[in-house]
Amino acid sequence: GAGVSQTPSNKVTEKGKYVELRCDPISGHTALYWYRQSLGQGPEFLIYFQGTGAADDSGLPNDRFFAVRPEGSVSTLKIQRTERGDSAVYLCASGQGANTGELFFGEGSRLTVL
Amino acid sequence: AQKVTQAQTEISVVEKEDVTLDCVYETRDTTYYLFWYKQPPSGELVFLIRRNSFDEQNEISGRYSWNFQKSTSSFNFTITASQVVDSAVYFCALSEARRGGNKLTFGTGTQLKVEL
Repeated sequence: GAGVSQTPSNKVTEKGKYVELRCDPISGHTALYWYRQSLGQGPEFLIYFQGTGAADDSGLPNDRFFAVRPEGSVSTLKIQRTERGDSAVYLCASGQGANTGELFFGEGSRLTVL
Repeated sequence: AQKVTQAQTEISVVEKEDVTLDCVYETRDTTYYLFWYKQPPSGELVFLIRRNSFDEQNEISGRYSWNFQKSTSSFNFTITASQVVDSAVYFCALSEARRGGNKLTFGTGTQLKVEL
């Protein structure tokens, strides 16, 4: 597609359940980022991939969060044993290589944990 | 630690007015990048500008202009002759240059409402 695509756009789940959020970056972009945005706040960095490897995962809040990008394109953010505090919009962005300046963001996946 | 402060939570203006959005940052890095992003109601963040710490020249792009003042650690954004379509949340962000990638630290954003 022309832009960064994220699915699902909305996900409602119950506390304790497992959730997967998918990001399809712009074709050819080697850098992929996950951010989390809570209501009224700016996005917070979670993890950065350069190709298939996680170059920086320092923003993942705890070991319930995990992300993969096995073929260097699509990425999946996985959240185990969800908690109400995980409710937020999860944003994915992609870019051409490192330090390119411009990141292209998707519209996000809104996660609500009841 | 890096920090970005956008003290203005919400600004309302009437169309055609000029408006300035303030951004103050903190970093111990000598080399860094500053950004502005626009977030319309659809939620998708739209890149507006990137400026590196060694380039203090002001920039103008159409109705948009940016004033980077290293001495006061500020990177303010001015919209001239605002339009209703400018209504959005605007985020200022900072990234370290010594690491690969664009790990951005965002401010809390300024909600701009432009009314007729």
